[in-house]
Amino acid sequence: SAVISQKPSRDICQRGTSLTIQCQVDSQVTMMFWYRQQPGQSLTLIATANQGSEATYESGFVIDKFPISRPNLTFSTLTVSNMSPEDSSIYLCRELGQGTYEQYFGPGTRLTVT
Amino acid sequence: SQQGEEDPQALSIQEGENATMNCSYKTSINNLQWYRQNSGRGLVHLILIRSNEREKHSGRLRVTLDTSKKSSSLLITASRAADTASYFCARGPGRSNDYKLSFGAGTTVTVRA
Repeated sequence: SAVISQKPSRDICQRGTSLTIQCQVDSQVTMMFWYRQQPGQSLTLIATANQGSEATYESGFVIDKFPISRPNLTFSTLTVSNMSPEDSSIYLCRELGQGTYEQYFGPGTRLTVT
Repeated sequence: SQQGEEDPQALSIQEGENATMNCSYKTSINNLQWYRQNSGRGLVHLILIRSNEREKHSGRLRVTLDTSKKSSSLLITASRAADTASYFCARGPGRSNDYKLSFGAGTTVTVRA
C-alpha cells in the first residue's frame, strides 16, 4: 500500500479564517478522497478529488466551503473556508491504488475552531 | 450517509477475552471492509471481504459475511490492551466502478488489563 502523509497534523484556528490541509502519497494513485469525522461520529465523505478537473462533492458539501485541488496523481489539498466551530473535526484523505478495492487513509488533521 | 449500522456501540472486555462486533447494511455490496481507529487518529485498514466470500482471517481477526442477512461480524480473539480502539465497518457499493465507502457508526472497544 502507498504511504500517505497529511499536513498539518493538528491546528487551532479562529472563526472566519481558512485552513488548507495537504495530502501527499508516495506513489501515483488512481483516486483520492476527503472525509470529515466530527467529534464522536463516524466518517462522512466530503468529495472525490479528481486529477486535473473539479472535485466531485457529496450532498451537503459545496466547493465554496471546501475547495479541493489535485494537481497531480500524488497530491491533493482541502481548504476549509470561513471556518466556524461546527467545522471542528478530523479531516482525513484516502487513496485508492490501481487494481484494488483496499483503501488506505492518511493520519488525519485534527482541526479545532474557536 | 451511513449505510452500515454496528452493534454494540461500545464493548468492554478483559484482556484475553474475545470481542465480537456486528455490522448490518441495507443495499448490495461489492465488498465490506473493517477499519480500526486509535484515539481519534487515522484509520487502519484491517480486512476486506468480498461479497462472494463468507469468512476471512488475519492473525487474531476473523471476519464473516452473510449477504443473505446483509450482515458481517468482526471477531478479535485473545484481546490485548492495544486492541482498545474504535472499529468501523465500511461498505463498498455494488457497482464495480464506484469506489466510495459508506461507514457505520463504529464500535468502541475497551480492553481492560
